[in-house]
Amino acid sequence: EVQLVESGGGLVQPGRSLRLSCAASGFTFDDYAMHWVRQAPGKGLEWVSGISWNSGSIGYADSVKGRFTISRDNAKNSLYLQMNSLRAEDTALYYCAKSAGQQLAYNWFDPWGQGTLVTVSS
Amino acid sequence: EIVLTQSPGTLSLSPGERATLSCRASQSVSSSYLAWYQQKPGQAPRLLIYGASSRATGIPDRFSGSGSGTDFTLTISRLEPEDFAVYYCQQYGSSLPLTFGGGTKVEIK
Repeated sequence: EVQLVESGGGLVQPGRSLRLSCAASGFTFDDYAMHWVRQAPGKGLEWVSGISWNSGSIGYADSVKGRFTISRDNAKNSLYLQMNSLRAEDTALYYCAKSAGQQLAYNWFDPWGQGTLVTVSS
Repeated sequence: EIVLTQSPGTLSLSPGERATLSCRASQSVSSSYLAWYQQKPGQAPRLLIYGASSRATGIPDRFSGSGSGTDFTLTISRLEPEDFAVYYCQQYGSSLPLTFGGGTKVEIK
């Protein structure tokens, strides 16, 4: 069974940093691209960032470009999101999602983890 | 950026009725790289449809997707109690960023 377990969320002050992790199991991690998607309280889904199977292709939403960095460690079956210069508008539940293929685009997301909550507030 | 507009925002229906959800793209979605997800309160989104019309594994056949280009539709033929949820469309073609629609809430009338 494919499992994605996010961790690293919490309460952080504006301007500070946080690193999210996603531990993957039940599939060959280095065969698939991975993504981060967030959902602000009571709002819809927003794609944040994605990374191809070999880290050769990476993409970011304009809202996080220059502040967030996605990475993966295929030896540890793990996905990461380094979030710097956090803002109140980054407050959201952050989901890790497995792509259906190797590339950043052209593939749907399935499945999704349960998410980790990031709250940016002073 | 491809903007996806979902309508209506809320659909109030009774169990057994047919639900028709629309997703319109601001530009053509190449090769029907369009997916639909269902999200229930407190749960992660679940894949329903990919490639505009292919059902994901384990999805009942009362769910169907159609459309191409800029106009896509998710149809639930007969609503079951567990189908009341929020539904999102997503384009995952070559145009980054990958984008989601704003969602349609299907609620019990």
